[in-house]
Amino acid sequence: GESVGLHLPTLSVQEGDNSIINCAYSNSASDYFIWYKQESGKGPQFIIDIRSNMDKRQGQRVTVLLNKTVKHLSLQIAATQPGDSAVYFCAENIGYSTLTFGKGTMLLVSP
Amino acid sequence: NAGVTQTPKFQVLKTGQSMTLQCAQDMNHEYMSWYRQDPGMGLRLIHYSVGAGITDQGEVPNGYNVSRSTTEDFPLRLLSAAPSQTSVYFCASSRNRGNTEAFFGQGTRLTVV
Repeated sequence: GESVGLHLPTLSVQEGDNSIINCAYSNSASDYFIWYKQESGKGPQFIIDIRSNMDKRQGQRVTVLLNKTVKHLSLQIAATQPGDSAVYFCAENIGYSTLTFGKGTMLLVSP
Repeated sequence: NAGVTQTPKFQVLKTGQSMTLQCAQDMNHEYMSWYRQDPGMGLRLIHYSVGAGITDQGEVPNGYNVSRSTTEDFPLRLLSAAPSQTSVYFCASSRNRGNTEAFFGQGTRLTVV
């Protein structure tokens, strides 16, 4: 069957590099912004979130940056590993309600 | 814990047939939802439930029904399958409606011929 990864923007990096995945959003009323990771054949998995009143949040090997002026969200992955290869989705939570997902970016990590 | 369990994993239907996609979670989560995922489209919300006995429509509800008789189960019914419903379906649960961490099942790949 057709892969969910077709037609997606793709970022290709070498193992050990830092990766930056970007996302533009349109709704200024979003309360939270979230990143999910989806490996091939699996459901999405929560990575990290950031509240709309913050501009940076760090997790284990990941950092999310939020620029509300230009409505831009990014996910930085340090020392990218082959296991990081996946599709990454940004999502918004508006009014503490349902999650709205973006279309995704495929990350390919070469050994 | 099993988390969120979806059955079946794969299904082929003929146009006009009906079927139910099963979803169960064992985390005592209040909030459950169904998404469909199509190539290049991200995940689109079909229906959701904020608790037993309460359901509501999402972005793309037409052609689908849901019910929530227990906290654990949230089945999705296709009333009369159409080729446009060919997709991968994901069920998700979270502690409550505002929670950003949703737990997803493995998905059901449905083909309607």
